[in-house]
Amino acid sequence: GQQLNQSPQSMFIQEGEDVSMNCTSSSIFNTWLWYKQDPGEGPVLLIALYKAGELTSNGRLTAQFGITRKDSFLNISASIPSDVGIYFCAGRLALGGTSYGKLTFGQGTILTVHP
Amino acid sequence: NAGVTQTPKFQVLKTGQSMTLQCAQDMNHNSMYWYRQDPGMGLRLIYYSASEGTTDKGEVPNGYNVSRLNKREFSLRLESAAPSQTSVYFCASSEPGQGVGYTFGSGTRLTVV
Repeated sequence: GQQLNQSPQSMFIQEGEDVSMNCTSSSIFNTWLWYKQDPGEGPVLLIALYKAGELTSNGRLTAQFGITRKDSFLNISASIPSDVGIYFCAGRLALGGTSYGKLTFGQGTILTVHP
Repeated sequence: NAGVTQTPKFQVLKTGQSMTLQCAQDMNHNSMYWYRQDPGMGLRLIYYSASEGTTDKGEVPNGYNVSRLNKREFSLRLESAAPSQTSVYFCASSEPGQGVGYTFGSGTRLTVV
């Protein structure tokens, strides 16, 4: 099936530092989504992107839909301890793909923030 | 507004036992999904139901069956549990269409011994 390559797999940072993670694919996507999963909970949607080049912010989070439509990145500024969790990218293939409608998820980035 | 509710939250099974994981959503969504989450593997789709009355295999369907009981409920059944099915299982729902993400339940942590 389709694969999204998410990196890095894990990050260990100090409180206050900025964080950057990204997802790439060999296929073109028409939607990119970023989710956060807190320990013991299900993923929760953070940001949704619908157009190539789109840059969207949600508080300290900023995400961009890559111009090629094959990648996306998420930045977290001035990290705090509650940012700890697993961050997933997800994409929906462009119309005409056999997986149209369903999301494909990256492997996740585990974020640890040291106070 | 409960969103997506999964039961049970935790379960321990012996190899060969069967069980059904329950999922219900109250958002009137047409599409529902079952995923499993394993360390380093992300979320892998087991089965999905695009609308009431339809179900389709996902990426890792072997060893599982599903039932879309009605628009609200989508259950996942393990007929003969195996240790390889030890995982965290998530149910999700959405409205079909290109602009919408999924809403996830809080998961069922299953251990098969």
